[in-house]
Amino acid sequence: EPEVTQTPSHQVTQMGQEVILRCVPISNHLYFYWYRQILGQKVEFLVSFYNNEISEKSEIFDDQFSVERPDGSNFTLKIRSTKLEDSAMYFCASTPGQRRTEAFFGQGTRLTVV
Amino acid sequence: GESVGLHLPTLSVQEGDNSIINCAYSNSASDYFIWYKQESGKGPQFIIDIRSNMDKRQGQRVTVLLNKTVKHLSLQIAATQPGDSAVYFCAENIAGNQFYFGTGTSLTVIP
Repeated sequence: EPEVTQTPSHQVTQMGQEVILRCVPISNHLYFYWYRQILGQKVEFLVSFYNNEISEKSEIFDDQFSVERPDGSNFTLKIRSTKLEDSAMYFCASTPGQRRTEAFFGQGTRLTVV
Repeated sequence: GESVGLHLPTLSVQEGDNSIINCAYSNSASDYFIWYKQESGKGPQFIIDIRSNMDKRQGQRVTVLLNKTVKHLSLQIAATQPGDSAVYFCAENIAGNQFYFGTGTSLTVIP
């Protein structure tokens, strides 16, 4: 069964450092997403990406965040200058062409900022 | 942001019993809902969805009920099994690609 894969599974970084979280969406999917989940809290939408550009973003997704599809398979989330409050589980998801449908989530990357 | 909340943060059921997980949403304009299951250390996994033009939708061992009058959503799991133990989230969508998730209900199945 096709799945969304994320690497690394756990990333520890020092405050102020840049991190890149990587995702390989399902190959024939067209919409890609990043969500985050702070420990014990809700899953929160960050950004959606379609046709090589951001289609929607939440107020969480400020200037320190960026997304990129550097090639035909990877989808990345970059956090430029990490803060302690960026510590969370980050989930990548993808959907096929139809927008409002179930999203397939990856296993997540646990980001710990120290 | 939108408010999607769950009535009970934890639920324990005996194996073989039916489970009912509830969810309240606040925006009457929400017209598409998904239930997700999240096992420890894994990402959310789709269970079932429902659009606002329906009151009920059934899947394999699961049923989702939507009451738009009181803005309430429920997930019923029949003959609950130990493998059903997980955190269950409802998520709502008004338009576009953003989904708003609830805080989750932790379901524990007692063998």
